[in-house]
Amino acid sequence: SQTIHQWPATLVQPVGSPLSLECTVEGTSNPNLYWYRQAAGRGLQLLFYSVGIGQISSEVPQNLSASRPQDRQFILSSKKLLLSDSGFYLCAWSVLHAFYPQETQYFGPGTRLLVL
Amino acid sequence: SQQGEEDPQALSIQEGENATMNCSYKTSINNLQWYRQNSGRGLVHLILIRSNEREKHSGRLRVTLDTSKKSSSLLITASRAADTASYFCATENSGGSNYKLTFGKGTLLTVNP
Repeated sequence: SQTIHQWPATLVQPVGSPLSLECTVEGTSNPNLYWYRQAAGRGLQLLFYSVGIGQISSEVPQNLSASRPQDRQFILSSKKLLLSDSGFYLCAWSVLHAFYPQETQYFGPGTRLLVL
Repeated sequence: SQQGEEDPQALSIQEGENATMNCSYKTSINNLQWYRQNSGRGLVHLILIRSNEREKHSGRLRVTLDTSKKSSSLLITASRAADTASYFCATENSGGSNYKLTFGKGTLLTVNP
C-alpha cells in the first residue's frame, strides 16, 4: 500500500532563517506531487506541483521554492523565511494521468510552521 | 483563485441529525471531490463524483452534483461526534491542467454529543 511521509511535524523558525520541508511517498511510482499551504481556518492554497523528477510548476509568486530530486521525494525550501510564511504545509500525491481527469489526492500529515 | 466555495462556513448540529454542506463553483469541471480534515491533520478523500453523474452514495455520505447550477451538496446522515471535522470540496476543471485540484475554503462541522 502507498504511504506518504512529511517531516518535521512542527517547526518554529526565526524570521530570515532557511527552511527545508521534506515529503516522501512509498508504494507508488511516477506520482504527481503537490505542496499546499493552509492558513488557520482557511482552505488550501496550491504552492507547487510536479509531474516528474526536476519538473516543478509554481502556482504563486513567493519566497519559497520546491525541488524533486528523486521520483518520490519532494522538498519545499526557502532561503529566508518571512512572518507570512507561517502556516500548515501539506504534501500530497496522486496517480499520474497525463490525459485523464485528476483523480484522488492523498495527503500527508502536514507540517505546522511558525515563523517568529 | 478559489474555485469551490462551501456553504455554510460553519455548522453545528446534534448527534443523530443530518448535516448538509454545499459547494458552488464557477467553471466547467471534469469531477468534483469532497475531502475531510480533522483538526491539525491532513485531508482524507471521501468521495468523487464525475460531471456526468448526478448522485453518489458511500455509507452515510450522499453527494449530489448539479452542473447546470454549478453546485454540489454533501449530506452526512445520522451524524456522530466523530464526524466533527472540516469538509472541503475540490474541483478538477475541464479544459485545464489535468494535474490540479482547486479546493474551497471548507465547512467546519461540529457534531455535539
